[in-house]
Amino acid sequence: GESVGLHLPTLSVQEGDNSIINCAYSNSASDYFIWYKQESGKGPQFIIDIRSNMDKRQGQRVTVLLNKTVKHLSLQIAATQPGDSAVYFCAENMGLGGATNKLIFGTGTLLAVQP
Amino acid sequence: EPEVTQTPSHQVTQMGQEVILRCVPISNHLYFYWYRQILGQKVEFLVSFYNNEISEKSEIFDDQFSVERPDGSNFTLKIRSTKLEDSAMYFCASKGGGNSPLHFGNGTRLTVT
Repeated sequence: GESVGLHLPTLSVQEGDNSIINCAYSNSASDYFIWYKQESGKGPQFIIDIRSNMDKRQGQRVTVLLNKTVKHLSLQIAATQPGDSAVYFCAENMGLGGATNKLIFGTGTLLAVQP
Repeated sequence: EPEVTQTPSHQVTQMGQEVILRCVPISNHLYFYWYRQILGQKVEFLVSFYNNEISEKSEIFDDQFSVERPDGSNFTLKIRSTKLEDSAMYFCASKGGGNSPLHFGNGTRLTVT
C-alpha cells in the first residue's frame, strides 16, 4: 500500500550548522503534510505544516519544502542547536474530507546535534 | 499553552485484563484521536472521533478496542482483553476546527505481561 517514508534514519550535524531532513511520500492524493519532533519519553510535538497548494512555508528557524512533482518533503532547520536533537517524523493526511482524520507517519529520522 | 494530558503515564497489566487509558484533550478542540507506537517503530493511527462517534478506524482497532467521551472533558480508550502485542505507547491527540494540526499528549506506556 501507499506509505510515507524517510530516506535517512540518522542525521548527525554540528551545532550551528543547518540540517535538512527528507521524506518521500507516495500518495499523490495527500493534501496536507506535517512535521513532528519527538523527544525521548514524550509525544510528537508539532513543528510546521504545509498544504499541497504551497511549495514552501517558513517558521521560526524551520522551513518546509514540498515538491509534488517527485512527492518529496523536506524540513530545514537553521543554526541547529543541541535542543533540536530528537526524532523527526513527517506525516501525511490520508483521512476523509479536510478534517485531518488520519495521519500516516513515516519511520522517523534521528537528528543528533554534536556540540 | 494548552496541552493534551494523559493518565496514567505507565500502566502495567496482565494479559487478558481490561485497561482504560485516559486523556483530557485541549478544551476547545473538536476532533479526538488515539495513536500508538510500538517501541522503536513509527506512530500508527488507531481511531478518530468526532461529534460523539468514530469517524475512522484502522485495522488495528478491532472489537477489543473502544473509545468513549463520557463527559465534556475526557476521552478514553478501552482495551477489553489485553494481549502481549498490545504493549506500546498510546498517544491521545486532539484538533480544533478548520486547518489546524493535531496536538499530542505525552502518552501512556502500556506494558502487558
